[in-house]
Amino acid sequence: QKEVEQNSGPLSVPEGAIASLNCTYSDRGSQSFFWYRQYSGKSPELIMFIYSNGDKEDGRFTAQLNKASQYVSLLIRDSQPSDSATYLCAVILLQGTYKYIFGTGTRLKVLA
Amino acid sequence: EPEVTQTPSHQVTQMGQEVILRCVPISNHLYFYWYRQILGQKVEFLVSFYNNEISEKSEIFDDQFSVERPDGSNFTLKIRSTKLEDSAMYFCASSDLGQGSKQYFGPGTRLTVT
Repeated sequence: QKEVEQNSGPLSVPEGAIASLNCTYSDRGSQSFFWYRQYSGKSPELIMFIYSNGDKEDGRFTAQLNKASQYVSLLIRDSQPSDSATYLCAVILLQGTYKYIFGTGTRLKVLA
Repeated sequence: EPEVTQTPSHQVTQMGQEVILRCVPISNHLYFYWYRQILGQKVEFLVSFYNNEISEKSEIFDDQFSVERPDGSNFTLKIRSTKLEDSAMYFCASSDLGQGSKQYFGPGTRLTVT
């Protein structure tokens, strides 16, 4: 079973719409959850992090964490063509030692 | 805004050669990491480093790999005898609040082994 799972996409949304990206994780020991944006050929750029159940908002981005259902999501409001990228979900879990696990990413395309 | 920097941006080497990839973490960060990303695949954790020693390492980080903080600013990854399958982007990252906290990535070094 994959430890962090994301739909690879592409997810296509029109400019100005809300993009909803989802991530599920398998281990209940997962402690910290991150969303990175990665443009082609570039490094991951941290855009959101969340540690507790609920919603966390930062500008146009909202991260949602539901530990009971083991999913974390990212909403992007008023999507712009510049948001077109691959969004990586990353999880840190503690199983005696720390494990750092990335998902394969969801490619988002915002259509002008 | 402080950034993680990495050099070189692209390194080409022959199979069997040693390579050293260099990183300068954000200056007040204490935790350092190396990841790799093979083209078209996911980001994979290699190693974390704190207080001048390795704190975690993955199965990928075998005896061919080593890390060092040779001075107060640099953090290096050495691959002793490169293989074709070591070709990947290598990212350095750093964090300030512990191993469970958010990490900031450098721009990466593209390693090509021929």
